Amino acid sequence: QQPVQSPQAVILREGEDAVINCSSSKALYSVHWYRQKHGEAPVFLMILLKGGEQKGHDKISASFNEKKQQSSLYLTASQLSYSGTYFCGTNRNTDKLIFGTGTRLQVFP
Amino acid sequence: DAGITQSPRHKVTETGTPVTLRCHQTENHRYMYWYRQDPGHGLRLIHYSYGVKDTDKGEVSDGYSVSRSKTEDFLLTLESATSSQTSVYFCAISGGPAGEKLFFGSGTQLSVL
Repeated sequence: QQPVQSPQAVILREGEDAVINCSSSKALYSVHWYRQKHGEAPVFLMILLKGGEQKGHDKISASFNEKKQQSSLYLTASQLSYSGTYFCGTNRNTDKLIFGTGTRLQVFP
Repeated sequence: DAGITQSPRHKVTETGTPVTLRCHQTENHRYMYWYRQDPGHGLRLIHYSYGVKDTDKGEVSDGYSVSRSKTEDFLLTLESATSSQTSVYFCAISGGPAGEKLFFGSGTQLSVL
């Protein structure tokens, strides 16, 4: 079952912040985050393992609340290069990585 | 960049025709995945492999089969293509189970007319 991402789309001005959420109805072992530019392949951002982990990647960070089966991606002081579609992928300690439907982020000058 | 190549990059075929997509890696990674991407559905897992001749189904496996006779190659076959299989197909590789990051190929745009 695909995780649910919200919002479906976000429009920002440069310098603004955004939060993208990912939730699952099943217990999770890990959560992945990827970004995809138009016409390109998805690119890895970060993985969070169960344990309430929080990670950062430049001005992009994420948290994972295993009890709530949720993860959030935080984009701070957004840049034009942040534009793209963000996908969360969830894993239940199996070999499968199941992706959400994506959140389209557009950053304007 | 991870060494992963998909072929062909683009293909147009007719309904009822068999089609095979190839994913080739030079990283010696154990895990390989096939996803399809459609508007509104994100990335959906078709099949995956956890070793040579070891494969399993994903979320949307009906109408697809896979084979992996060598570590470096993972083939996706549409036995009789249908218009609903028009999509962008991505192959991905990983060094371990889904707790490790995936590297994606550039994708194959398949159109079934």
